[in-house]
Amino acid sequence: DSGVTQTPKHLITATGQRVTLRCSPRSGDLSVYWYQQSLDQGLQFLIHYYNGEERAKGNILERFSAQQFPDLHSELNLSSLELGDSALYFCASKSGTGGIGGELFFGEGSRLTVL
Amino acid sequence: DQQVKQNSPSLSVQEGRISILNCDYTNSMFDYFLWYKKYPAEGPTFLISISSIKDKNEDGRFTVFLNKSAKHLSLHIVPSQPGDSAVYFCAASGGIQGAQKLVFGQGTRLTINP
Repeated sequence: DSGVTQTPKHLITATGQRVTLRCSPRSGDLSVYWYQQSLDQGLQFLIHYYNGEERAKGNILERFSAQQFPDLHSELNLSSLELGDSALYFCASKSGTGGIGGELFFGEGSRLTVL
Repeated sequence: DQQVKQNSPSLSVQEGRISILNCDYTNSMFDYFLWYKKYPAEGPTFLISISSIKDKNEDGRFTVFLNKSAKHLSLHIVPSQPGDSAVYFCAASGGIQGAQKLVFGQGTRLTINP
């Protein structure tokens, strides 16, 4: 158990819909990262938040947005869903000042299926 | 632009032998490298890391080697055990803009045969 909690674990929805994925980081971790893993692909970096502020953005679509709340949990919002958005979405957290100097702790992921 | 590449999608090794997983990178600004292990239905878990100031880091059965001139790193597992069967991801970070994220390879599925 990494201490990072993601909900829901599985989600099936239709094209054009909007979903919200939730992440609770490890206790005390200020950094939250979101990654997308599509079929047979590596983990693609989406976005990084540190203590409520956006720190880095990867190849995140404009239809996607994220935020980190004062209690440090984070939400990833995916809208106008397309078939290609079907993927595993991982959240990871890290202690420290935000830069990558050590390991990330990953949640179990949220599997999104768009039909 | 795949900055971190794992060219072998899968690898099969006999129990007790050495497993060698390879990873190549293209960004010379990367200065920190990690290996993650992933079992089905679980998130990736950290295995071992290496800074660019080193060329080798060892932790029990796991050793990571870094060849900066070749932009290549490898993970050696000796001896391989059935519980090592998993997908292994290589990851890298570094540079001013790259310090805030890890860039992952596509992963290599390792199967340890009894």
